[in-house]
Amino acid sequence: DIQMTQSPSTLSASVGDRVTITCRASQSITIWLAWYQQKPGTAPKLLIYKASSLESGVPSRFSGSGFGTDFTLTISSLQPDDFATYYCQQYNNYRTFGQGTKVEIK
Amino acid sequence: QVQLQESGPGLVKPSGTLSLTCAVSGDSISGSNWWSWVRQPPGRGLEWIGAIFHSGNTNYDPSLKSRVTISVDKSKNQFSLKLSSVTAADTAVYYCVREVLRGMDVWGQGTTVTVSS
Repeated sequence: DIQMTQSPSTLSASVGDRVTITCRASQSITIWLAWYQQKPGTAPKLLIYKASSLESGVPSRFSGSGFGTDFTLTISSLQPDDFATYYCQQYNNYRTFGQGTKVEIK
Repeated sequence: QVQLQESGPGLVKPSGTLSLTCAVSGDSISGSNWWSWVRQPPGRGLEWIGAIFHSGNTNYDPSLKSRVTISVDKSKNQFSLKLSSVTAADTAVYYCVREVLRGMDVWGQGTTVTVSS
């Protein structure tokens, strides 16, 4: 099984901050990584696919990078709508989610 | 647009079988996509349960494989989840999801299933 480890678990930040979330796979998944945003009481939303491709309609302040086992999600300038929980997910071999990173207001 | 809608009992007794159905509209379940189930226990993260292709090919999470069956009904454009021998640990919000090459791009609204006597 491929395990996905996100860090940090919680992140406190202010509007306008640059925010980076990391995700590490227990073995290489090449580029097969997606990032999702989830707000309380709602279903997750796809943000990034194939590690660095921006899903249609997602603001350009979101970006992803990485290959193999180490990946990052960056929000270049945090906006009020971005306070949420973010999950990485590998889809190289079956599917596995990271445990989530909650971005909260500082 | 594509919409997914989960349905099924909200309460299941321990040791019983959880059964949910996902109705798909705006897309054919017989197309090139996979159709998945994901769950989220209260206050916790997302857990992939498994997925099915219209041909009947399935993939299941190894930790649940012995208890899970996912099936597809092409005539009704829907797919279903059965999870047997449930315990309180199976209490969660259950989502049905469309999976394309990009990832999980369309999610149902989720349905809460509680395991309790």
